[in-house]
This record gives sequence, structure tokens and C-alpha cells, in this order.
Amino acid sequence: GAGVSQSPRYKVTKRGQDVALRCDPISGHVSLYWYRQALGQGPEFLTYFNYEAQQDKSGLPNDRFSAERPEGSISTLTIQRTEQRDSAMYRCASSLRDRGYEQYFGPGTRLTVT
Amino acid sequence: EDQVTQSPEALRLQEGESSSLNCSYTVSGLRGLFWYRQDPGKGPEFLFTLYSAGEEKEKERLKATLTKKESFLHITAPKPEDSATYLCAVNSDYKLSFGAGTTVTVRA
Repeated sequence: GAGVSQSPRYKVTKRGQDVALRCDPISGHVSLYWYRQALGQGPEFLTYFNYEAQQDKSGLPNDRFSAERPEGSISTLTIQRTEQRDSAMYRCASSLRDRGYEQYFGPGTRLTVT
Repeated sequence: EDQVTQSPEALRLQEGESSSLNCSYTVSGLRGLFWYRQDPGKGPEFLFTLYSAGEEKEKERLKATLTKKESFLHITAPKPEDSATYLCAVNSDYKLSFGAGTTVTVRA
């Protein structure tokens, strides 16, 4: 079956621009997560949703970052007024339920802010 | 705060040379310990979930074990296609807290 998909796969943007990263989870998965992964490190939690409700956004670095999942399926991570330090790999994952269930990751979006 | 430490950082093996990777963790109420494989340029690929001390899971040449403080991923008679970064993560509520991974290189 189809796995988690993310788009775009690569995004180059200029400092100060807004970007929107999309995640399409596995069909039927209730929980959706956003992580950020630096080179040589494991993914680091940003935020997560159960259905359309954002349950925890404590990992978002600052208020330029926001996420939504309006219909409980596709999610968008938006970064406003991008800065060079936002350059990273952004990964989305989904799971059947939240606590204790394995999470399946997408291929990621590589964001480069110039 | 949940913490995960993986060792070694890198492991170079000859084909057929078995070895083990370590994942030490501290967590308040373990709901699962997860092993993932990550190939360059790709997202982490789920391998195993372990829920309680004493539990073991196997898949091909990989075997994961769990104690109250650590988990081991044993690679038996590895092949070059087992070369990857192996990530360990713990789940105490909903999010995964990852270690930095162990990069395994298997030479033919």
C-alpha cells in the first residue's frame, strides 16, 4: 500500500519568504507527526495531531512555525519569514494511534534557505 | 525528559562478522522501544517494536532484545546490504525520542 508522502521533496527559498510543506499520511492513520532531522542525528519532534486536533506543539522552535491538519488527513507545516537556521530535513510520520504504536516516516522535504 | 544514547557511533564489519549495537535509555514509563533503519537520503524505515524487558524480535539477520535500561540490535552474519544507519527511539507518551544512530558499514 501507499506509504507516507511529502512534497515538495526539495525546496530552496530566499530568506524572508514563507514556505509550506505538505504531508499525506497513510490512509486510516489517526496520528500524524512532524519532525526535523539534522545531519548525523535522529529526528527531533516538532508537533503532532490526532485526527484534526493539534495535541502538542511544544517542539516548534518559535512562532514562525505553525502546522494544521484541517480534515484529519493531509497536514501542512508552514514556516513564515524563513531564516537560514531553518534549513534542515523536515520529516512527517503517521501511526494508527498515538501511544505505543510504530510511526511510519515519509521521505522528507529538504529545505534550504539562502 | 526521555534520553536515548546509542553506541558505537560507527561500526565497520566484514561480511559474515556478527556484532551488536547498543541503545541505552532513560524514560518515564516506557510505551515502546523502536528500531529503525535509515538509508542515505531516505526516511527511517520501521524494523521492530519492543514493549517489555525480556522481549525479543527477529527479522532475517537482525534480532532486537530489551532490558529495563537498554536494548541491543544483534546483526548475525551481516551482508553488504545491511549497511545503513540504525536508529533507536523510545516512546513514553506519543512522540518518539531518538538516539543519534549507529552507522554500520559491511564490507564484502
